[in-house]
Amino acid sequence: EVQLVESGGGLVKPGESLRLSCAASGFTFGAYGMNWIRQAPGKGLEWVSFISDSTTYIYYADSVKGRFTISRDNAKDSLYLQMNSLRAEDTAVYYCTRGNWGGDTWGQGTLVTVSS
Amino acid sequence: DIQMTQSPSSLSASVGDRVTITCRASQGIRNELGWYQQKPGKAPKRLIYTASSLQSGVPSRFSGSGSGTEFTLTISSLQPEDSATYYCLQHNSYPRTFGQGTKVEIK
Repeated sequence: EVQLVESGGGLVKPGESLRLSCAASGFTFGAYGMNWIRQAPGKGLEWVSFISDSTTYIYYADSVKGRFTISRDNAKDSLYLQMNSLRAEDTAVYYCTRGNWGGDTWGQGTLVTVSS
Repeated sequence: DIQMTQSPSSLSASVGDRVTITCRASQGIRNELGWYQQKPGKAPKRLIYTASSLQSGVPSRFSGSGSGTEFTLTISSLQPEDSATYYCLQHNSYPRTFGQGTKVEIK
């Protein structure tokens, strides 16, 4: 069964950092591009970042560029999102998704709350 | 960036009704669009990819059409379990962009 499981969310103060992880199973992780997509409470979906299968291509939303870094470890079937200089507006459920087209498979999400 | 304008923002329909949701792109995106369904407290689920291809396991009452700048998601006969919020997503270029969502309620 194809599965994505996010972890690492929590409550942090503005300006602090957090690292999210996404563990993949049930498919050849290294053959797929991966995304992070977030959803603020009661709001719509916002694409955050993409990394290609071999890390050749990396893209970010303007709202996180320069603060967030996406990475992956194909040997560990894992995707990461390093989030620095967090702001209140980064509060959201963060989903990892599989695929170059936005996501044919989604994890259950991990909640990040940025509040003083 | 490509803007995706989705309409309506919400609708209420009866079981068995035909329901149509529209997404318009600010520039041509060929057929590079997907449709997603999200139920409260759950992760989104892809229904349609490349504008009109049905995701495996998705009921055939869901269909998608369109190309260029105008796209449609149709539910041919609304069922109670279709109560959800629906989003379109363009995958023509980065940054990927979603429509604002359409909340579908059952009368």
